[in-house]
Amino acid sequence: EPEVTQTPSHQVTQMGQEVILRCVPISNHLYFYWYRQILGQKVEFLVSFYNNEISEKSEIFDDQFSVERPDGSNFTLKIRSTKLEDSAMYFCASSRGQGSSPLHFGNGTRLTVT
Amino acid sequence: AQKITQTQPGMFVQEKEAVTLDCTYDTSDQSYGLFWYKQPSSGEMIFLIYQGSYDEQNATEGRYSLNFQKARKSANLVISASQLGDSAMYFCAMRELLFSGGYNKLIFGAGTRLAVHP
Repeated sequence: EPEVTQTPSHQVTQMGQEVILRCVPISNHLYFYWYRQILGQKVEFLVSFYNNEISEKSEIFDDQFSVERPDGSNFTLKIRSTKLEDSAMYFCASSRGQGSSPLHFGNGTRLTVT
Repeated sequence: AQKITQTQPGMFVQEKEAVTLDCTYDTSDQSYGLFWYKQPSSGEMIFLIYQGSYDEQNATEGRYSLNFQKARKSANLVISASQLGDSAMYFCAMRELLFSGGYNKLIFGAGTRLAVHP
């Protein structure tokens, strides 16, 4: 069964550095998302992406964050000037459509900012 | 604004018994969808079941069923014949279906941690 793949599974970075989290969504899916989950807490929406542009973003998704679909398969989340509080699990998800189409999640990237 | 409430931070159940995980939601929209996800200790998010607001029948998927009470705005997940592998965090989520055909995000509740005891 096709799945969403995320790399790396774990990323350690120093405060102030930039990180890029990578995702390959399911190939026939059209909608892409990033969520994050601080350890043991709620799954929080960051951004959704459709037709090569951001369709919605949360208040968390400020100028520190950006997303890109550089080619036909990859979907990336860039975090500039990382802070300690950016430490979390970051999930990429994709869906075929809207409405009743479920989001299919990758296994996540655990980001640790030291 | 959407809001999902899961009032049970933790639940436990004996193996082979049924368990109900509660979820209530708040929306002013008539059209919406409700989803349940499972998150095992390994961390991945696994889609379990979906219920649309206009669906007249409660959704079922194998051992999972959704007790949907629209007037009460509740969408409780029922797991029958619990197995040890059901021990995980369970999240209820909602997505509003926009008449404009626009995009809508999935909003998650805080989750319920289920422990299945042998």
